Amino acid sequence: QKEVEQNSGPLSVPEGAIASLNCTYSDRVSQSFFWYRQYSGKSPELIMSIYSNGDKEDGRFTAQLNKASQYVSLLIRDSQPSDSATYLCAFYNAGNMLTFGGGTRLMVKP
Amino acid sequence: GAVVSQHPSRVICKSGTSVKIECRSLDFQATTMFWYRQFPKQSLMLMATSNEGSKATYEQGVEKDKFLINHASLTLSTLTVTSAHPEDSSFYICSARVKKSGTSGGLNEQFFGPGTRLTVL
Repeated sequence: QKEVEQNSGPLSVPEGAIASLNCTYSDRVSQSFFWYRQYSGKSPELIMSIYSNGDKEDGRFTAQLNKASQYVSLLIRDSQPSDSATYLCAFYNAGNMLTFGGGTRLMVKP
Repeated sequence: GAVVSQHPSRVICKSGTSVKIECRSLDFQATTMFWYRQFPKQSLMLMATSNEGSKATYEQGVEKDKFLINHASLTLSTLTVTSAHPEDSSFYICSARVKKSGTSGGLNEQFFGPGTRLTVL
């Protein structure tokens, strides 16, 4: 089993809709979870960090963490074409190394 | 978030030459920096972890004599690709970890530089 699992997509949503991105992880010890956005040809950009169970909101983004079920999700409200990118879920493993999922490609259609 | 810069952003060189890439944390001190490589349509691949004042730790399969890493200060790490060959052409990205004080978990965030696109002819 991979340490971090993400659906590779592409996930296609119409402009203005809510995009829901999901991630499951195998390491129960991890306390820190992150969502990065990576545009094609660019480096990853940290958009959300979440450490506690529940929801964390930042603008149009909401991260949700459920440690018991070992999943973390990212909701993007009012999706815009500029949100089209690959979204990487990541966490620190037992060796304190940032471990990435394969990423979900999001396409927001005008 | 914290800012990490990288220079140069793009470099084209002839086979056999060496290329140095600089990575700086602009508004924080980074005790640990990381170097990644990414080929088109592929995932990030960690090459090495660099701690200030000590030797870098290389991932399996990464030649330490070919990819020289120096972490001279808390804000600067360099990667030198020695005797570059066309197969070394890739997108090289550095990353730095911020150490934050916190009350529960989640003490560190890791930020990425903009990357350096290396093309070896």
